[in-house]
Amino acid sequence: DGGITQSPKYLFRKEGQNVTLSCEQNLNHDAMYWYRQDPGQGLRLIYYSQIVNDFQKGDIAEGYSVSREKKESFPLTVTSAQKNPTAFYLCASSIRPLNQPQHFGDGTRLSIL
Amino acid sequence: AQSVTQLGSHVSVSEGALVLLRCNYSSSVPPYLFWYVQYPNQGLQLLLKYTSAATLVKGINGFEAEFKKSETSFHLTKPSAHMSDAAEYFCAVSSNAGNMLTFGGGTRLMVKP
Repeated sequence: DGGITQSPKYLFRKEGQNVTLSCEQNLNHDAMYWYRQDPGQGLRLIYYSQIVNDFQKGDIAEGYSVSREKKESFPLTVTSAQKNPTAFYLCASSIRPLNQPQHFGDGTRLSIL
Repeated sequence: AQSVTQLGSHVSVSEGALVLLRCNYSSSVPPYLFWYVQYPNQGLQLLLKYTSAATLVKGINGFEAEFKKSETSFHLTKPSAHMSDAAEYFCAVSSNAGNMLTFGGGTRLMVKP
């Protein structure tokens, strides 16, 4: 079945460490997105990519980095510069143009030890 | 510019009662509108979408929504709530001009036995 796979489901990070969240899709979608979700809040866009080797910052990109070397993959790195990284992270994908509905993975919950 | 407002961060209904979740949007061009559902520790799942065809849109799990241009609304309804409907619901807007989806803050639906 086609879909989006995020791994791991739960992730723990020590202070000062970088950590990378995986997102893989087999839907043949061009566009991919990363969102952050905090308790009781909506979705905030971190980064998005419309095509391989290209990506744009969203509303809260500081402290995060991404790469898009393959169409299927859009990993997110949470760097030590992100002061409050504890959150639920959601990856999504869609066909282009960007006004099309997005398909979501099941998320990764990141916690600070 | 586009935005979406969901009135009521929490809604509680009894099992078998009508479900009404409110969504108002703002868009300078004709909108595309979406409702998503999120169960605990999962990603978002598309319930239904409006893209300028019929104004009454039927979705999965017995939900439907009506696009009312004069009221800039896209409220989600279900005639009879089921315990399994307890989840968080997100309204989102994009447009036929290609703008990316903008999500509302979400409404948590609780269903009482």
